[in-house]
Parts: sequence; C-alpha cells; structure tokens
Amino acid sequence: QLQLQESGPGLVKPSETLSLTCTVSGGSISSSSYYWGWIRQPPGKGLEWIGSIYYSGSTYYNPSLKSRVTISVDTSKNQFSLKLSSVTAADTAVYYCARQAAGIVDYWGQGTLVTVSS
Amino acid sequence: EIVLTQSPGTLSLSPGERATLSCRASQSVSSSYLAWYQQKPGQAPRLLIYGASSRATGIPDRFSGSGSGTDFTLTISRLEPEDFAVYYCQQYGSSQYTFGQGTKLEIK
Repeated sequence: QLQLQESGPGLVKPSETLSLTCTVSGGSISSSSYYWGWIRQPPGKGLEWIGSIYYSGSTYYNPSLKSRVTISVDTSKNQFSLKLSSVTAADTAVYYCARQAAGIVDYWGQGTLVTVSS
Repeated sequence: EIVLTQSPGTLSLSPGERATLSCRASQSVSSSYLAWYQQKPGQAPRLLIYGASSRATGIPDRFSGSGSGTDFTLTISRLEPEDFAVYYCQQYGSSQYTFGQGTKLEIK
C-alpha cells in the first residue's frame, strides 16, 4: 500500500523559507506513470495546488506561487521536497504531499500544519 | 486559469435523502480531467470520482458523477451518516490543477 509522509518544521518565521519533505513508501517515486505534488489548505479554507514534479526533475508550478516555489526530487531516497520562500502569515496552512496521475490526485499524505509566525 | 465554482456552499439534508452537488467551470473542461473528492475533519481528501463519472476504487455505488463541458454534478443517491463531509471538485488542464471552493454537506 502506497504511503506518503510529510516532514519538516511546524513553525516558520515571516520572510524565511518553508521547507518540507515527502517520503514515499510502498512504491517507487521513479515510476513513469506518476507525478508527485504539493497541495495546501489554509485553516478552514479550500485546497490550493502548489506544484508537481516528475521523477526526472521536470516541474510545473501554480503561477500564483511560481516565483517563490521550488520542488525537487531525490530518487535515491524516494523523496521529494518543497521550498517556499519569503513566507507570510498567508502561507499558514496544512501542506499535503500527493501522487498525481492523469490529472487526478489519487494518494495523499496525512498533511502537516505549518504556521508562519514570529 | 479555469475557475471552478461549487454550489451550494452548504447543503443540509437528512440520512436517506438524495444529495446533488454542482461544479461549474469558467470555461470548458475535459471530462477526462474532472474529479471529485471527499474530505472529513482532520483528514486528507479522498478521491471519489475521476473522469467526471468513474468511481475510484472502493467507493460505494451510491456516489455517481455526471456532466460535461462546464457543468458537472456529484450525486449521492441515499445519504449515509458517514457521507456528511466537505466535497471538492477539481480539474486538470494546461499542466495546472484547480479546485472548487467546496460544498459542505451537513446533517439537517
């Protein structure tokens, strides 16, 4: 059974960089059939796609966040990572990592709350 | 960017009733790339419907999806207590994913 697990700091200071890692188990991140992505959800609000990466390193990002986002992959560790720079309180959210295939999100991590506060 | 608008924002129904949730797109969406998700408090979303009308693995047949172009519908034929949750539609196009704002299905 595929599992995804987010890890990283739960508290980030304003103007700093948010960094999260997703560890994939029960399957290979190098599968040619899937992209791997990040989605976030501010408290009490809806879902926002952040960006996605293929195992080869090919990426695509939400245009509204593109200038601040970097997603990378480490196939040797079966992990992919998110960096979001210059964070503000508006970036406070539950961050989910996920598997994407043919335009859908079929597996989700449990999510991790990241709070931006001094 | 394609904007998805879900209605109603909140739907109050009783167990056993039929629920009809709407998702309208600002421009035409490929049916192949329209999905629905269910989210319960404190949990990650769960895929219900993909390709506008195909049920994901393990999803009961009381859930059905329909629609094309700009108008899509999720129907729950007879509500069970565990169906009360928030539902999101999602589309994929031009290498972008967008979600609707959600419909909260609450017990009346």
